[in-house]
Amino acid sequence: AQSVTQLDSQVPVFEEAPVELRCNYSSSVSVYLFWYVQYPNQGLQLLLKYLSGSTLVKGINGFEAEFNKSQTSFHLRKPSVHISDTAEYFCAVSRYSSASKIIFGSGTRLSIRP
Amino acid sequence: NAGVTQTPKFQVLKTGQSMTLQCAQDMNHEYMSWYRQDPGMGLRLIHYSVGAGITDQGEVPNGYNVSRSTTEDFPLRLLSAAPSQTSVYFCASSYSFGGNFATNEKLFFGSGTQLSVL
Repeated sequence: AQSVTQLDSQVPVFEEAPVELRCNYSSSVSVYLFWYVQYPNQGLQLLLKYLSGSTLVKGINGFEAEFNKSQTSFHLRKPSVHISDTAEYFCAVSRYSSASKIIFGSGTRLSIRP
Repeated sequence: NAGVTQTPKFQVLKTGQSMTLQCAQDMNHEYMSWYRQDPGMGLRLIHYSVGAGITDQGEVPNGYNVSRSTTEDFPLRLLSAAPSQTSVYFCASSYSFGGNFATNEKLFFGSGTQLSVL
């Protein structure tokens, strides 16, 4: 079975500073990887996804993530954050062959300080 | 375009009461699912459906029932609420192909239902 680990439950950063949110997964088979964002009092929205091909994936709002198969990681990065990026971020994984299941990590709360 | 609509937004129940959380989508998605979100635990899949008349269990199905009589609606029933079911519940939908959820497709989420069981 696959699982997702987000090592940091909270990440505080100053506005305009770079940020990296870490995600590691475990699976014995090929997977799809996702990052979702949840703004306060809202449902989740897809930021980006890795399906295949280039290991660097660009998403909305200036975010990008890099798939590293050897380290089984899919870290999310942004070179310069804004107050509006304050949210909770979830990494998720699904298997190529698995019907209907996306497994989410426990989330990382990103707080931006002015 | 309404997307995924969940009602109610807030609900307080007493232990042992029953209720139904409603979920409707207007995107003609075949795949629908229910998640619960608890602090420090992310989202956990309760039940899902790949089309009308077809449902299956997720990671944490105990205490919950679902049915899918139409493509648009996927209600979640708590038959006898327990304090452990206090949580935020999210409904999500997506495209599927030939009755199988395409796991590379994104999920569209509702805005959630905050449920407290006393």
